[in-house]
Amino acid sequence: GNSVTQMEGPVTLSEEAFLTINCTYTATGYPSLFWYVQYPGEGLQLLLKATKADDKGSNKGFEATYRKETTSFHLEKGSVQVSDSAVYFCALSDGSGYALNFGKGTSLLVTP
Amino acid sequence: NAGVTQTPKFQVLKTGQSMTLQCAQDMNHEYMSWYRQDPGMGLRLIHYSVGAGITDQGEVPNGYNVSRSTTEDFPLRLLSAAPSQTSVYFCASSSLLAGDFHEQYFGPGTRLTVT
Repeated sequence: GNSVTQMEGPVTLSEEAFLTINCTYTATGYPSLFWYVQYPGEGLQLLLKATKADDKGSNKGFEATYRKETTSFHLEKGSVQVSDSAVYFCALSDGSGYALNFGKGTSLLVTP
Repeated sequence: NAGVTQTPKFQVLKTGQSMTLQCAQDMNHEYMSWYRQDPGMGLRLIHYSVGAGITDQGEVPNGYNVSRSTTEDFPLRLLSAAPSQTSVYFCASSSLLAGDFHEQYFGPGTRLTVT
């Protein structure tokens, strides 16, 4: 079945540090890949997506590239801010149904 | 637009009690779903609906009922609450137009504790 594996958190970084959150997946066919973000006390919001191999999704300074050869979709940001503190979820859809498969989430804390 | 709204925000139940979690959206989305979020487990799909009168089970449907009588509303019913249902519940909606589906809009969540 489909599954998503994310790096364990929490991740603690100083402001302006470089961020990488690893995500790998297992799926049949050609899934679409997503990063969702959950700020404290809120629901999830779509951060970025990529629907085919080699696509790069980007938003708010975050980016992730769909790598079919390594089955990965790592999230990166060049310079994090305190306001980026949140939980980040990698997710996939294989297009065969309506469900998204979520990873377990990675908590990020950015300190001043 | 209010987006996706959920009530209540917090609820404490005793084992065996029943209750309904409310979810409403004002975006005319065809698709609505319920997830539960547990520590270290990510989000797991409970039930979903692709339109009024149509519902289906997700990954963890046992102990929950849903119905969809209108496009706007998608209530989740706990029939006989158990401590294992202590969780944060999120409702989400999305348009089924091609290319838009996976931008699911989430409500703020309901934190449920069953004692």
